[in-house]
Amino acid sequence: DADVTQTPRNRITKTGKRIMLECSQTKGHDRMYWYRQDPGLGLRLIYYSFDVKDINKGEISDGYSVSRQAQAKFSLSLESAIPNQTALYFCATSDFASGRRETQYFGPGTRLLVL
Amino acid sequence: GENVEQHPSTLSVQEGDSAVIKCTYSDSASNYFPWYKQELGKGPQLIIDIRSNVGEKKDQRIAVTLNKTAKHFSLHITETQPEDSAVYFCAGSLISGYALNFGKGTSLLVTP
Repeated sequence: DADVTQTPRNRITKTGKRIMLECSQTKGHDRMYWYRQDPGLGLRLIYYSFDVKDINKGEISDGYSVSRQAQAKFSLSLESAIPNQTALYFCATSDFASGRRETQYFGPGTRLLVL
Repeated sequence: GENVEQHPSTLSVQEGDSAVIKCTYSDSASNYFPWYKQELGKGPQLIIDIRSNVGEKKDQRIAVTLNKTAKHFSLHITETQPEDSAVYFCAGSLISGYALNFGKGTSLLVTP
């Protein structure tokens, strides 16, 4: 969905490096999410944010941190990257105030390779 | 927590045939079930969803059925076309919740 953008789209980094993945949305949605996708495992929730001051851990938050800089921006950081964090990362948004609060809209993804 | 299982993991059909993907869920409280299509190099895109107060929903060639008693739901694609080739994910959640619990995906290949 072009309303949800992620940067970078591809990134190669080395073990131990700090890396930040960024997500921006123009949908005006209040809720934002970070998921990780591994082959054969589907998508798993890392962190989610209901608004700028409300950030929560998801199923697999260890090794990750997030920052909600504004309603439209939600960043995911790997403080010290390790090879098993190699994966496809997706940002998603939803609109709690709408009649379809449960529907999530995904960005195009960031492919991360940790060497 | 919710556990969603999806079958098959791969599916190959000929153009024009129907394709069916099945999912089961464990949490009887789940009441929202979306289906996402993921094309190569893109993010998942919602194609159809169903709430637990409805047994079936259709949108052109796509339909979803839900059996709350058996805790399973299915995606049906009729008259398949090569552009239907993609990975399809089912998910379950609470309408009032936040987390989508995804199945592991089905890779659908439609051959001409």
